Amino acid sequence: GAVVSQHPSRVICKSGTSVKIECRSLDFQATTMFWYRQFPKQSLMLMATSNEGSKATYEQGVEKDKFLINHASLTLSTLTVTSAHPEDSSFYICSADRVGKNIQYFGAGTRLSVL
Amino acid sequence: DAKTTQPTSMDCAEGRAANLPCNHSTISGNEYVYWYRQIHSQGPQYIIHGLKNNETNEMASLIITEDRKSSTLILPHATLRDTAVYYCIVRVVPGSARQLTFGSGTQLTVLP
Repeated sequence: GAVVSQHPSRVICKSGTSVKIECRSLDFQATTMFWYRQFPKQSLMLMATSNEGSKATYEQGVEKDKFLINHASLTLSTLTVTSAHPEDSSFYICSADRVGKNIQYFGAGTRLSVL
Repeated sequence: DAKTTQPTSMDCAEGRAANLPCNHSTISGNEYVYWYRQIHSQGPQYIIHGLKNNETNEMASLIITEDRKSSTLILPHATLRDTAVYYCIVRVVPGSARQLTFGSGTQLTVLP
């Protein structure tokens, strides 16, 4: 079964609204989670690293004020796309390292469509 | 993390073994080889990983050459549900978490 849960799986919103995506590690604690973005026919690109209890680290070119990340507990990280625009439409995927097993598990992804 | 090279696409007949190659000639001694796959519109799924010994689990086998510069993922009896993009990723396994760097992967199509 899934060890990383991501919700919602799909969201359609109007331009200018904000969307929150949740990522949970189900049976392990994750001090670090990762957020990726994938455009059609492309590979996954890391957006940011989410650190429990501290600020997220963003990759070059990713606007931290637009993609707000909160990692308030050891099992939950959230990504909020603020003032979404059509160009933000993409597939967003989170992941968490199960450190003891040296395996990184991924959520099922969230398909965001901004109209 | 070391760069990997994979064929863009491969076909395999249903029921036959699928052998997916990966080159990682610049791999260093403390880097592991990981394989993930991504079925259309889903998040990546972990398959298997290894350091230098061959590994097998319920999903697949991983064969790593003695010089560790290449590896092969083997799906012993491919089914239509194995159609996906397969990613070979090399990374260090430290005590702390570290992101995965995805290349283009191999699109495996299992044919009926």
